[in-house]
Amino acid sequence: DSGVTQTPKHLITATGQRVTLRCSPRSGDLSVYWYQQSLDQGLQFLIQYYNGEERAKGNILERFSAQQFPDLHSELNLSSLELGDSALYFCASSGAPQGVPGNTIYFGEGSWLTVV
Amino acid sequence: DAKTTQPPSMDCAEGRAANLPCNHSTISGNEYVYWYRQIHSQGPQYIIHGLKNNETNEMASLIITEDRKSSTLILPHATLRDTAVYYCIVRPVRTGANNLFFGTGTRLTVIP
Repeated sequence: DSGVTQTPKHLITATGQRVTLRCSPRSGDLSVYWYQQSLDQGLQFLIQYYNGEERAKGNILERFSAQQFPDLHSELNLSSLELGDSALYFCASSGAPQGVPGNTIYFGEGSWLTVV
Repeated sequence: DAKTTQPPSMDCAEGRAANLPCNHSTISGNEYVYWYRQIHSQGPQYIIHGLKNNETNEMASLIITEDRKSSTLILPHATLRDTAVYYCIVRPVRTGANNLFFGTGTRLTVIP
């Protein structure tokens, strides 16, 4: 158990809909990362937050957005869903301040999203 | 960011040591080598990381060559539960973003 909690574990929704995935980082971790894993793309970095502020953006679509709240939990919002958005979405967290060498990133077990 | 090259797949007999190689010839001085594994559709699991010295923990050993251009992850006594995709990642450490970029990894199959 990594200590990173994601909900829901499984989600089935229709095209055009909007969903919210939730992540609770490990206790005390300030950084939260979101990754997408689809069958044909592997693990793709989406976005990173540090203590409530966006720190890095990867291959995140404009239809997707994220935020990190004062209690450090994070939500990934996916809107106008398409069939191709079906994937595993992972949240990860790390503790040390930015730039500290070797601050390990720990992953949750993911949220399975199926768009039908 | 330095890229890594790993063999796409490997087999290992149960109980034997699994040696997973990784080439990272463009690694720079402030970049760490990280290893993660992903057991079928579970979250990636941290294994070990190092800068230039060899490292060992309860899961594995990491051997980094003196020129830092390659490394080997060693699982000393592989079990069936070690069957997974293993990712070697060179991680830049700098102020600002320090996220992980995953390649395609090595699919390790432990054979009974």
